[in-house]
Amino acid sequence: QQQVKQSPQSLIVQKGGISIINCAYENTAFDYFPWYQQFPGKGPALLIAIRPDVSEKKEGRFTISFNKSAKQFSLHIMDSQPGDSATYFCAAPINSGNTPLVFGKGTRLSVIA
Amino acid sequence: DTAVSQTPKYLVTQMGNDKSIKCEQNLGHDTMYWYKQDSKKFLKIMFSYNNKELIINETVPNRFSPKSPDKAHLNLHINSLELGDSAVYFCASSRAGGHGYTFGSGTRLTVV
Repeated sequence: QQQVKQSPQSLIVQKGGISIINCAYENTAFDYFPWYQQFPGKGPALLIAIRPDVSEKKEGRFTISFNKSAKQFSLHIMDSQPGDSATYFCAAPINSGNTPLVFGKGTRLSVIA
Repeated sequence: DTAVSQTPKYLVTQMGNDKSIKCEQNLGHDTMYWYKQDSKKFLKIMFSYNNKELIINETVPNRFSPKSPDKAHLNLHINSLELGDSAVYFCASSRAGGHGYTFGSGTRLTVV
């Protein structure tokens, strides 16, 4: 059973455009929603995260939008750059409390000049 | 200094062998994890461990076992390796109850 469903699987965006990646979750006990960025040959790195008591969080060009009623959260990358080309993963805890993260299947983003 | 370090970075071995992957973190974190990333980039939790609790993903074969000599180390031992074990294995760590993970750079295991 997939607990976080991520889309699209791949995304091509022109330089300067907006990249949008979506994630849907099932377990309403989730209390932490991070996005990770992974470059080839590297481990995933925490990019930005949000808790369900806010609807949006912005850090530089990266924004998480959170819709609790729809059980969805999304990553927006403004002014996308070729250096943003990577695989992005949404994640959520398996359950509340001290439980591991379960990851979405990833989105491969390519930003072309 | 590397926060979460794994060795080896690459491991090629024959079916049936037993191998170990080492992981060390210098962040003072309380909880460590092992994830498997398959060829489609899907990240799957294998184990979560702190000094009080081991959480095992029930789908992980018992040929895989975590071993933790101390809070800063969580090694992965694999018995009787199979072709399907080929993947990239990532170690990660976090504070107790924290969900901001720091990942290692991975170990690419190839079973031939």
